[in-house]
Amino acid sequence: EAQVTQNPRYLITVTGKKLTVTCSQNMNHEYMSWYRQDPGLGLRQIYYSMNVEVTDKGDVPEGYKVSRKEKRNFPLILESPSPNQTSLYFCASSLQGSTGELFFGEGSRLTVL
Amino acid sequence: QKEVEQDPGPLSVPEGAIVSLNCTYSNSAFQYFMWYRQYSRKGPELLMYTYSSGNKEDGRFTAQVDKSSKYISLFIRDSQPSDSATYLCAMSPSNYQLIWGAGTKLIIKP
Repeated sequence: EAQVTQNPRYLITVTGKKLTVTCSQNMNHEYMSWYRQDPGLGLRQIYYSMNVEVTDKGDVPEGYKVSRKEKRNFPLILESPSPNQTSLYFCASSLQGSTGELFFGEGSRLTVL
Repeated sequence: QKEVEQDPGPLSVPEGAIVSLNCTYSNSAFQYFMWYRQYSRKGPELLMYTYSSGNKEDGRFTAQVDKSSKYISLFIRDSQPSDSATYLCAMSPSNYQLIWGAGTKLIIKP
């Protein structure tokens, strides 16, 4: 089954404790992206990757890091989480950039205390 | 002012009604227009895709783009309770950047 898998789905952590949200897709997509979704603000892009070893900042990259060492994986790293990073995070992938059909994961709800 | 404006709702209509969902935008460079549907506790899924202006129909769904007015619409005919979800518009000037509306929550009452 074609899918984007994110883990963990739910996480409560404390300020400053490094965490990684994993994302994996099995569709051989070149494009992958991370979004955060907050009430009233919609989806905002954090980082995206056009291919292996190629990443670029989206609209709200501050406080986040990404890497793309393999085509299928695109982890999101919060080096020192802060409460303003409490949000619902989505990973997405596409065959042809952001204007192709984006396939989203189920979301990761992160709470930073 | 946001680049893409979308009324958050909620919009509540009876089953069988025609639903009209809309977004306005300010950037005349937008060429790609999409509607995504998001059920509660799920990721968004692509519903409709339009390039440049015009209409596109798929079953009970019709997407319209009016670039002269910077206005896009999604119509749902014969609405069903299973259409209850949040509808997100998204648009892009290029292949790398996608700008999203905040989403409209739609409730179809049986």
